[in-house]
Amino acid sequence: DVVMTQSPLSLPVTLGQPASISCRSSQSLVHSDGNTYLNWFQLRPGQSPRRLIYKVSNRDSGVPDRFSGSGSGTDFTLKISRVEAEDVGVYYCMQGTQWPWTFGQGTKVEIK
Amino acid sequence: EVQLVESGGGLVQPGGSLRLSCAASGFTFSTYWMHWVRQIPGKGLVCVSRIKSDGSRTSYADSVKGRFTISRDNAKNTLYLQMNSLRAEDTAVYYCARDHYGANSVDYWGRGTLVTVSS
Repeated sequence: DVVMTQSPLSLPVTLGQPASISCRSSQSLVHSDGNTYLNWFQLRPGQSPRRLIYKVSNRDSGVPDRFSGSGSGTDFTLKISRVEAEDVGVYYCMQGTQWPWTFGQGTKVEIK
Repeated sequence: EVQLVESGGGLVQPGGSLRLSCAASGFTFSTYWMHWVRQIPGKGLVCVSRIKSDGSRTSYADSVKGRFTISRDNAKNTLYLQMNSLRAEDTAVYYCARDHYGANSVDYWGRGTLVTVSS
């Protein structure tokens, strides 16, 4: 299985400041069809998980533009340009290139 | 509006069985692959199983293969997960999720149902 490794696992941030989460895969996520299937999800207590980003950098409908995804091959990043209070939660990267799809350990974002 | 509502979770003894259901609405259920994903308390997410739109293809995580069975009833817009020979390590919140065709991803999730395996 593809192992996804996130860092940091805990991320205290100041409101209005940027935040960045790294995700590395144990093998390249470039699929034989040429696409890279890397996603980012947000989990907040009491809510359904929400997808933010798919195929590395495509933002889902309704996701604020302060969220952005980038990367290639085995190294990927989720950035929040200016953290807001509603961004508190746990963020997961997930690869869909190889079954079984696998997730990172999660990064807990909290306000300082 | 896409809605996925899981049910059927609860407390079960090791070795026991449970069937989870996921009622779907707001989209044409019969045209989508569907998935079950679980989150062990305090830990991360794991893809458990998936099923093709017509039910003709299924996949399982190694940890549940031979014990869990995914199925669907397109006439009832409902996804199922039959869980047998349950173990303590199956304790988790189980989510159903809709596949995003062409993106190798899931786009909508339910709120989940808690399964606790304990004596």
